[in-house]
Amino acid sequence: GDSVTQMEGPVTLSEEAFLTINCTYTATGYPSLFWYVQYPGEGLQLLLKATKADDKGSNKGFEATYRKETTSFHLEKGSVQVSDSAVYFCALYRGSTLGRLYFGRGTQLTVWP
Amino acid sequence: DTGVSQNPRHKITKRGQNVTFRCDPISEHNRLYWYRQTLGQGPEFLTYFQNEAQLEKSRLLSDRFSAERPKGSFSTLEIQRTEQGDSAMYLCASSATGVEAYSYEQYFGPGTRLTVT
Repeated sequence: GDSVTQMEGPVTLSEEAFLTINCTYTATGYPSLFWYVQYPGEGLQLLLKATKADDKGSNKGFEATYRKETTSFHLEKGSVQVSDSAVYFCALYRGSTLGRLYFGRGTQLTVWP
Repeated sequence: DTGVSQNPRHKITKRGQNVTFRCDPISEHNRLYWYRQTLGQGPEFLTYFQNEAQLEKSRLLSDRFSAERPKGSFSTLEIQRTEQGDSAMYLCASSATGVEAYSYEQYFGPGTRLTVT
């Protein structure tokens, strides 16, 4: 069945460090892929998305490229800030008649000044 | 656009009691989703509606759970005879439909945290 696997956290970085959070997926067809972020005490927010192979999603300095050959959608940021501390979720959406998102377990990121 | 709202934000109940949560989606969105999130896990799909029709239900949605969206606007999720294992964050999301790429985007509310004692 469809599933998403994320690297286990927590991830702890110093400010301005490079961030990578790995995400791989299993799905039939051509899913759309998403990264959501959950700040402490808040709901899930859509961070970025890619809807087809080789698409790059980007937002707020974060990027992720849809790699169909490796079934991956790794999240990267060149220079993290303290305000990026949050839980990051990778998610998969398979098609318009199947409404659900499949989420990974989430990766806790803590950035120290 | 006021976003997706959920009420109440927190609910504490005793085992065996019934609880009902409400979700108000973004006004122009005709799809509405319910998810459950337990500590340290990603959200798990429960059910979704397109307008007032409930189109898909997860196996997680036992007979004690029922969801409605009577007029295609707000939705309610009821849990009967609550159990301690029902303690979780219940999330609601909404999306538009169509062929445009943005229609895949689900926007989440802040959630209702349920604690069953």
